[in-house]
Amino acid sequence: KQEVTQIPAALSVPEGENLVLNCSFTDSAIYNLQWFRQDPGKGLTSLLLIQSSQREQTSGRLNASLDKSSGRSTLYIAASQPGDSATYLCAVSGETSGSRLTFGEGTQLTVNP
Amino acid sequence: EAQVTQNPRYLITVTGKKLTVTCSQNMNHEYMSWYRQDPGLGLRQIYYSMNVEVTDKGDVPEGYKVSRKEKRNFPLILESPSPNQTSLYFCASSLTIGTGFSYTFGSGTRLTVV
Repeated sequence: KQEVTQIPAALSVPEGENLVLNCSFTDSAIYNLQWFRQDPGKGLTSLLLIQSSQREQTSGRLNASLDKSSGRSTLYIAASQPGDSATYLCAVSGETSGSRLTFGEGTQLTVNP
Repeated sequence: EAQVTQNPRYLITVTGKKLTVTCSQNMNHEYMSWYRQDPGLGLRQIYYSMNVEVTDKGDVPEGYKVSRKEKRNFPLILESPSPNQTSLYFCASSLTIGTGFSYTFGSGTRLTVV
């Protein structure tokens, strides 16, 4: 059974800092890894999708990497801003989990002005 | 705009009163799914549908029903809601399942059963 873990559970940083969020998964037979952002009580906004054959994806100040063999992904946020404050979730889909996305518990990020 | 639309956004109901949460997508996606999100338990899949008239159970299907009569719609039905179904519900869709296909989520429905 696929399990996804995110570290740290919470992170508080001053504005402008570069930061890294970590995600690990137990079963490397994945199709994709997808990073989402969730604002309090709101929906999930897709940030980046990394296919199993890819090593990284970039969108603006965000860069996500994938090391499938070791079961790890990182989300790098450059020059953080207060508007980046949210919960960041990683999720994997794969052969053994069928159609479902398996989510981590998330990292709650607070960027202080 | 490509999106998944859920209604209502907020709902308070009483135990046993049947309700339906609607979900509609405008992207011609074949795959649709429902999740619930609970503190400490994360997001768990309730039901999914690979295409019209094809539905199957996820991890936590008890107390829920779904139907997929049209490609764009995937309603979630609670025949007799109970307080343990108080949760934040999300509908998601994807063109299909496999490498390179991302999931799009709706804005969520916060359900309270009293």
